[in-house]
Amino acid sequence: GAGVSQSPSNKVTEKGKDVELRCDPISGHTALYWYRQSLGQGLEFLIYFQGNSAPDKSGLPSDRFSAERTGGSVSTLTIQRTQQEDSAVYLCASRIAGGSYEQYFGPGTRLTVT
Amino acid sequence: SQKIEQNSEALNIQEGKTATLTCNYTNYSPAYLQWYRQDPGRGPVFLLLIRENEKEKRKERLKVTFDTTLKQSLFHITASQPADSATYLCALGALNTGFQKLVFGTGTRLLVSP
Repeated sequence: GAGVSQSPSNKVTEKGKDVELRCDPISGHTALYWYRQSLGQGLEFLIYFQGNSAPDKSGLPSDRFSAERTGGSVSTLTIQRTQQEDSAVYLCASRIAGGSYEQYFGPGTRLTVT
Repeated sequence: SQKIEQNSEALNIQEGKTATLTCNYTNYSPAYLQWYRQDPGRGPVFLLLIRENEKEKRKERLKVTFDTTLKQSLFHITASQPADSATYLCALGALNTGFQKLVFGTGTRLLVSP
């Protein structure tokens, strides 16, 4: 079946602009994660959605970052007033509920803030 | 402070040899540990999960060990092939950080020469 998809694959924006990144998880996966990966760095957890529970936003680096998940499926990560340090690859992952903790990742969105 | 450390230097080995990658952690109470493979420009792909009460897991040419006393996991690829060249990430699901979330190491790049 289809894997996790993300769009756009690349985004170049000017400092100060807002951007929206989209994630389509695997159908039936109730858990959804956003990560950020900077050059040469590991994956940095941003936010986690599980079913209808309140999201775990503990990894969001500032209040310029927000995310929502509509209808328990598609998720959008929004970065307001982008800064150059926001430049990174943003990865989305989904996971099925239950005992398996295996995460399925999308290809990522490469964000460049000029 | 909490840390997950992987050797940042690339590991270069010859085809047919066994590659061994190390993941060390401090100040986490692990529930499980995972290993992922990441190729350039792609999202990580799940390889293996080992739980805190397990010592060893195998899957085809892959073997993972987990020593919670040493706070270390070793990841072995036997009979390595050039196609195994990639970055390998360890990721911890820890009780003291919310075991539904993963904390990732920075990854070790493996290069297998023919």
